[in-house]
Amino acid sequence: EAAVTQSPRNKVTVTGGNVTLSCRQTNSHNYMYWYRQDTGHGLRLIHYSYGAGNLQIGDVPDGYKATRTTQEDFFLLLELASPSQTSLYFCASSDANKNTGQLYFGEGSKLTVL
Amino acid sequence: GDSVTQKQGQVTLSEDDFLFINCTYSTTTYPTLFWYVQYPGQGPQLLLKVTTANNKGISRGFEATYDKGTTSFHLQKASVQESDSAVYFCALVVYGGSGNKLIFGTGTLLSVKP
Repeated sequence: EAAVTQSPRNKVTVTGGNVTLSCRQTNSHNYMYWYRQDTGHGLRLIHYSYGAGNLQIGDVPDGYKATRTTQEDFFLLLELASPSQTSLYFCASSDANKNTGQLYFGEGSKLTVL
Repeated sequence: GDSVTQKQGQVTLSEDDFLFINCTYSTTTYPTLFWYVQYPGQGPQLLLKVTTANNKGISRGFEATYDKGTTSFHLQKASVQESDSAVYFCALVVYGGSGNKLIFGTGTLLSVKP
C-alpha cells in the first residue's frame, strides 16, 4: 500500500503570508502531484513532477510554486497567500512504470488564509 | 481539450436503492477512465478503472461501463448501503509529452439514509 504523508494537516495564515506544504511518499513512485479541492470544482491540478528536479505546470498554477527535491519529497509554496487560496490541498503519487494511472493520495492539508 | 463532466452534484438515496451516477468525457486519445471515492476526512482512493480494452470495471459491488458512442461512463450499484455515503469522482488520464496527469470531475456527494 502506497504511503503519502502531508504536513501540516491544518494551517492558518494571513493575507500576504508565506506557506509551505510538504509531501513525502515512501513507495519510490516517480510521479507526484498537488491538487486543490473546492466545493463545486472538484479536484484541480496545481503542479506535478515526474522525478527529482522536474516540475510540470498543472491546470491552476497561478500563485503557486512547487519544488521536487528528492524522489520522495514534493513541496508546494505559496509566497504571498491570498484568501482565494483557502482550500483543501492533496498530494498524490503514482508509478508511471506500471502505467495504471492509479494515484495514491495523502490525507490532505487544510489551509485557511484570513 | 481533455475534460470530464459530472452534472449530479448530490444524490440522496435510502439503503437498498439503486445508484446511478453519470459522467461524460472529452479526449483526443483512447480514454482510460476511473472512478475514485472519497470518504469523510480522507483523501480520494481508487474505486475502479475502465479502459477501451475491457469497457467495464467492477469493484466492491460497484460497476462502471464505458460507452464510446455517447462518450460517457457511468457508475452504478444495485443496492447501496449507508457505508457507501461518500463523494464519487470520475477521472480521465491525459497522456502528454510533459508526463501523465489525471483530471477529475467536480464530484457527486452520495448520502444514503438508513
